[in-house]
Amino acid sequence: GAVVSQHPSWVICKSGTSVKIECRSLDFQATTMFWYRQFPKQSLMLMATSNEGSKATYEQGVEKDKFLINHASLTLSTLTVTSAHPEDSSFYICSALRGDEQYFGPGTRLTVT
Amino acid sequence: GENVEQHPSTLSVQEGDSAVIKCTYSDSASNYFPWYKQELGKRPQLIIDIRSNVGEKKDQRIAVTLNKTAKHFSLHITETQPEDSAVYFCAERFGGSNYKLTFGKGTLLTVNP
Repeated sequence: GAVVSQHPSWVICKSGTSVKIECRSLDFQATTMFWYRQFPKQSLMLMATSNEGSKATYEQGVEKDKFLINHASLTLSTLTVTSAHPEDSSFYICSALRGDEQYFGPGTRLTVT
Repeated sequence: GENVEQHPSTLSVQEGDSAVIKCTYSDSASNYFPWYKQELGKRPQLIIDIRSNVGEKKDQRIAVTLNKTAKHFSLHITETQPEDSAVYFCAERFGGSNYKLTFGKGTLLTVNP
């Protein structure tokens, strides 16, 4: 149990366009999900906490107008990278909270050209 | 709960040897310390965790020790195998953090056959 999926697994987009990443908890409901960004050979950096039915909580330095988070149901949170630029290219990983443990999705590789 | 230091950044051992990775934290209110294994391009996988009311926990070849006084915790892998090669991340969570995790910078473990 406790399976989390992400879609797409990888995406290439042009600079200036927007891209949406989905995070789903497949066999449990998750009131809280987390979004992380991981650059090559670096650690996971928390971007924001996604709460079902309310606004996301962003970490310091993360632009909320650029990284739009929507947690409209107990099994789905989406991250939209708006006006993407090459420096946004990264590995985006979500996790869903079940009990007090985070279960991670497989990640989405975003490349902005 | 905002800072966790992890050492070493890289570790190379011979198959069959033991590997030890150490993390230190700064917030005495931290109460949960998980360890994750991440293979290239994959999601982090929880391999073992320890809570602040326990000093040591073991699961087959993997063990974690916690020294609350010194504010450090360590991952011990015995009888290492080539498939143990990966990046290992420690993390910590403090009470009242809404289950947010702070990750160490990671240790690249290479087990040479």
